[in-house]
Amino acid sequence: KQEVTQIPAALSVPEGENLVLNCSFTDSAIYNLQWFRQDPGKGLTSLLLIQSSQREQTSGRLNASLDKSSGRSTLYIAASQPGDSATYLCAVLPQGGSEKLVFGKGTKLTVNP
Amino acid sequence: GAGVSQSPSNKVTEKGKDVELRCDPISGHTALYWYRQSLGQGLEFLIYFQGNSAPDKSGLPSDRFSAERTGGSVSTLTIQRTQQEDSAVYLCASSLGDPGGGYGYTFGSGTRLTVV
Repeated sequence: KQEVTQIPAALSVPEGENLVLNCSFTDSAIYNLQWFRQDPGKGLTSLLLIQSSQREQTSGRLNASLDKSSGRSTLYIAASQPGDSATYLCAVLPQGGSEKLVFGKGTKLTVNP
Repeated sequence: GAGVSQSPSNKVTEKGKDVELRCDPISGHTALYWYRQSLGQGLEFLIYFQGNSAPDKSGLPSDRFSAERTGGSVSTLTIQRTQQEDSAVYLCASSLGDPGGGYGYTFGSGTRLTVV
């Protein structure tokens, strides 16, 4: 059974700092990995989608990497801003018939002005 | 539409009443998913529709929960005889095709259900 773990559960940083969020998964047989952002009381906003054949994806100040063989992904946020404060969720889409995203519990990020 | 639309955004209901939650996926998306997010918990899969195939209902927590998808588009999640433990945010997502195609999910803003 695929399990996704995100470390740390919460992170507080000063504005301007570069930071890394970690995600690990137990089964490397995945179609893709997706990073989402969730603001309090809101739905999920997709940030980056990495296919299993890819190593990384970039969007603006965000960079996500994927090392499928070791079951790890990182989300790098450059020059953090208070508006980046949110919960960041990592999810993998397993191969082998389950056909539904498996989520980690998220990392709650607070960027202090 | 431009995104996944869910209604209502908030619903307060009395214990024992039935509720219906609606999801309108992105036009052309064949896959539709319902998830539940309870306070302080991760996202819990409920049900998955793909095209005309039989839905994957393996995540529904009890027989009080049911869902249908009409015409391959709009979906309704029904909870009968609501209980306080049903209080959660119910999230709907859609995707362009089957997982092998590598498509990502797009989520709606969710329905916050409170059972009092």
